[in-house]
Amino acid sequence: EVQLVESGGGSVQPGRSLKLSCAASGFTFGNYAMHWIRQAPTKGLEWVASISPSAGGTYYRDSVKGRFTVSRHNAENTLYLQMDSLRSEDTATYYCATHDYIGFAFWGQGTLVTFSS
Amino acid sequence: EIVLTQSPTTIVASPGEKVTVTCRASSSVSYIYWYQQKPGASPKPWIYDTSNLASGVPNRFSGSGSGTSYSLTINTMETEDAAIYYCQQWSSSPWTFGGGTKLELK
Repeated sequence: EVQLVESGGGSVQPGRSLKLSCAASGFTFGNYAMHWIRQAPTKGLEWVASISPSAGGTYYRDSVKGRFTVSRHNAENTLYLQMDSLRSEDTATYYCATHDYIGFAFWGQGTLVTFSS
Repeated sequence: EIVLTQSPTTIVASPGEKVTVTCRASSSVSYIYWYQQKPGASPKPWIYDTSNLASGVPNRFSGSGSGTSYSLTINTMETEDAAIYYCQQWSSSPWTFGGGTKLELK
């Protein structure tokens, strides 16, 4: 059974950093591109970043370029999202998801990032 | 960036009713993907490559369209279909989602 378990969310001050993790199991992690997708409270879905299976390619939406870094450790079946210079508009539940022919095929349960003053 | 506009934003339907959700793209896309999300849960893939049902999706659902206009149809609404449905495109980065259509039970 495919499982994706995100962790690392929490309350953070604007301008600070946070690193999210996504632990994968139940499939050959290193064979799949992986994505981070976020959902602001009561809002829709927004793709954030992607990484190729070998980590040779990374892709970001413009609003997070230069601030967020996606990476993966295939030997440990783990996906990461390093978020620096956080802004209040980054408040959201962050999901990791696999990618195959049906699109974003499997999603984790999400980890919530909020801001404190 | 390709903007996907879903309509209507909310549908209130009775069991047995036919329901159609529309997704319009600001530029032509090759295919559209649909996801279902229920309250407190993660989204699930629902329809891929415009018209193919993901595993476990009831065949009362169907998808169609081309170019800039796509739709998801439920032939006969059932209680379990109440959810938010999002369309999504892979044709051009950044990969974008529609704003969602909330399907409520009357």
